[in-house]
Amino acid sequence: EAGVTQFPSHSVIEKGQTVTLRCDPISGHDNLYWYRRVMGKEIKFLLHFVKESKQDESGMPNNRFLAERTGGTYSTLKVQPAELEDSGVYFCASNQGAGDTQYFGPGTRLTVL
Amino acid sequence: AQSVTQLGSHVSVSEGALVLLRCNYSSSVPPYLFWYVQYPNQGLQLLLKYTSAATLVKGINGFEAEFKKSETSFHLTKPSAHMSDAAEYFCAVSGTGGYNKLIFGAGTRLAVHP
Repeated sequence: EAGVTQFPSHSVIEKGQTVTLRCDPISGHDNLYWYRRVMGKEIKFLLHFVKESKQDESGMPNNRFLAERTGGTYSTLKVQPAELEDSGVYFCASNQGAGDTQYFGPGTRLTVL
Repeated sequence: AQSVTQLGSHVSVSEGALVLLRCNYSSSVPPYLFWYVQYPNQGLQLLLKYTSAATLVKGINGFEAEFKKSETSFHLTKPSAHMSDAAEYFCAVSGTGGYNKLIFGAGTRLAVHP
């Protein structure tokens, strides 16, 4: 069974540009989470989807971040316009039910210059 | 509110020595506790989790952790380090009901020397 996949693995963009990150959860997992780790700091929760609905978006830093999960399958996280402080590693995780183990993808390393 | 503190951002041990990675948590509700490991260029992998059953939890690769409510700790141990254990380790906490986000500590990077 395929694990959680994320694309791209790395992205380098200029300040002010737009970047879209993609996450494909494990097949059949209704829950999808986005997390972010800024350099040297802890991994922080961004938001949680249950199928296509946003269950909790309390961790989204500001309105430059837009997450979608159309059809309840893969999810995208768009940053527009990107700022320097958005640099970090963005992780996606998924699980089947409430309380189940969250399985993480390898992350997307975003660098904003 | 929940939080996690991992003592020591870097830990170095010799091959064959005891590994002890410290984690203390704060939670206003009964917690679930987790240890994840990240090997170079890979995603986070679950080592073990405590979900209110046995307080001594055994995980993969010979790791175990003990939940101590009185000390609000969930330290990770392994009796004998192997070179392949070199990685970054994350302690995390979540609530026990419904859908729960993970609250992570800052991580501890473990180095293993020959």
